[in-house]
Amino acid sequence: QVQLQESGPGLVKPSETLSLTCTVSGGSINSVYWNWIRQPPGKGLEWIGYVSDSGSAKYNPSLKSRVTISLDTSNKQFSLKMTSVTAADTAVYFCAGSLTNYYDYWGRGTLVTVSS
Amino acid sequence: NFMLTQPHSMSESPGKTVTISCTGSGGSIASNYVQWYQQRPGSAPTTVIYDYHQRPSGVPDRFSGSIDTSSNSASLTISGLKTDDEADYYCQSYDNTFVIFGGGTKLTVL
Repeated sequence: QVQLQESGPGLVKPSETLSLTCTVSGGSINSVYWNWIRQPPGKGLEWIGYVSDSGSAKYNPSLKSRVTISLDTSNKQFSLKMTSVTAADTAVYFCAGSLTNYYDYWGRGTLVTVSS
Repeated sequence: NFMLTQPHSMSESPGKTVTISCTGSGGSIASNYVQWYQQRPGSAPTTVIYDYHQRPSGVPDRFSGSIDTSSNSASLTISGLKTDDEADYYCQSYDNTFVIFGGGTKLTVL
């Protein structure tokens, strides 16, 4: 049974870079699209982007200029970096894996607050 | 841009049936598959319907999905409502290969 666990700082200062890692356990990192999705407090879901098992990435056009998602197959991890954060980036960040058209695996989510 | 619109909230009594709509604008709902996710407070979402009407293993058949091209919408129907179905429900599809979500519907069962 595949399990995902997000990790990273819970507090980031405005204008700095948000960095999160998702560790995959209990299954293969191959043949899966590894995604980041976020949810501002009290609001809906927003897809950030994904990285495939080959390392190619696709991003939400509204975030593309600030986001990088990368894959570390040897450690079974994938990561999110978001630059120049503002208070609007405060959210619960979920990592998720999709085999086909839907998200088969989800992490529990981690709250990241942007504040000085 | 293709967008998905859901009612903000709905309520229904236990044992009844509720249908949550997801209306597309700026494109055809039939152009890409629609998925539905259930999210209980404080938890990650889980998939209840994929590819318009398919159920992942373990999802009860009280949950069903459909598409209506005449209204350009997809729907999630939950029959025999249980208090445990009280949650937020999100539809999801694609805008030119990018993932998009509807705004979510808060379902109250009381």
